[in-house]
Amino acid sequence: DTAVSQTPKYLVTQMGNDKSIKCEQNLGHDTMYWYKQDSKKFLKIMFSYNNKELIINETVPNRFSPKSPDKAHLNLHINSLELGDSAVYFCASSQEGATNEKLFFGSGTQLSVL
Amino acid sequence: AQKVTQAQTEISVVEKEDVTLDCVYETRDTTYYLFWYKQPPSGELVFLIRRNSFDEQNEISGRYSWNFQKSTSSFNFTITASQVVDSAVYFCALNFQGAQKLVFGQGTRLTINP
Repeated sequence: DTAVSQTPKYLVTQMGNDKSIKCEQNLGHDTMYWYKQDSKKFLKIMFSYNNKELIINETVPNRFSPKSPDKAHLNLHINSLELGDSAVYFCASSQEGATNEKLFFGSGTQLSVL
Repeated sequence: AQKVTQAQTEISVVEKEDVTLDCVYETRDTTYYLFWYKQPPSGELVFLIRRNSFDEQNEISGRYSWNFQKSTSSFNFTITASQVVDSAVYFCALNFQGAQKLVFGQGTRLTINP
């Protein structure tokens, strides 16, 4: 059983399109995150949700909209895709979002905007 | 400001050599947590270790060891008798009190040659 699963693994699309990435965790965790990894491998948080409530929104363009229908799911919808959105997007979860919690990551979604 | 610096962008060694990955952090908080994650070529992020700011004991896990020194704000990672399977990008990360997010270093790409 995969602890944190995200789909699709690869996403290739044209500029201007709208796309979604889905994430589900079966660990019973309360907190979920989206991280972005750019072409230089730099990892930066985008959002975190605790029990469906937005906790962190890290200066992300409002073309990115996370949605958490329940605490086991955190989907990422991206409108009007731009070339600069090309990156690997990682979903993650942790027990309570507390400072000392380790994160469990999904396997990543590689987004390529052409 | 909270910051993690991994000055070594890439390291290449021959199998069975020992290798140390450096991590230097900046934080004004007295309570914080440090982590190491591994990202193998397959792309997922794998948790390796968590250390809190009040525990300066070094830790050894098999061929892996970690040296935490608050005096120099460093949390270095050593692999003894490296193996080809250790080839990956390694990330050091910091989580400070109340932040509920990981701040990652830039990563060090480690290549172990046979």
